Amino acid sequence: GQQVMQIPQYQHVQEGEDFTTYCNSSTTLSNIQWYKQRPGGHPVFLIQLVKSGEVKKQKRLTFQFGEAKKNSSLHITATQTTDVGTYFCAGQSGRFGAGTRLTVKP
Amino acid sequence: KAGVTQTPRYLIKTRGQQVTLSCSPISGHRSVSWYQQTPGQGLQFLFEYFSETQRNKGNFPGRFSGRQFSNSRSEMNVSTLELGDSALYLCASSLGRTDYEQYFGPGTRLTVT
Repeated sequence: GQQVMQIPQYQHVQEGEDFTTYCNSSTTLSNIQWYKQRPGGHPVFLIQLVKSGEVKKQKRLTFQFGEAKKNSSLHITATQTTDVGTYFCAGQSGRFGAGTRLTVKP
Repeated sequence: KAGVTQTPRYLIKTRGQQVTLSCSPISGHRSVSWYQQTPGQGLQFLFEYFSETQRNKGNFPGRFSGRQFSNSRSEMNVSTLELGDSALYLCASSLGRTDYEQYFGPGTRLTVT
């Protein structure tokens, strides 16, 4: 079945540094979604990418969907302490990546 | 609109018992999915229900079952509980299937002793 791999598992950055998490699928995805889960909270939908090569931005967050629709990335520019949490990608049929846990040192 | 609600929020059970968790989706959402979240395994997909029919299922044993009612509310049942079933159980609702953005509930924290 479809596997969604996500790296890195953990990332610790100094406030102001950039952060990137990557997702790779063993099969072509019809779309990919990104979620953020704050410590003690539940996953919250961030964005969905559908088109090959699609790039979307939300303030300091940039989301990309690969040309082959098998990989995706989330890049945060100049991290802030409010960015702390675990970022998940998800393919169709409920397949979530393992998540990247981001911690930010002020 | 009210968000996704889950009851109970916390539960402590003994090995061998069974448990039923409930999820009320956002009004108008017909798809409900269930996930198990543990520190070591991340978010594991259990199953998805759409219009009272199970449309998709993850790799969990038959002890895990679910159902959806005509009002889209869903229940998940785990029989013969094992220590390894201790986890946060999340449900998520969406307008369609899991290809649509999902709205998660706060989860039910199940502890099996």
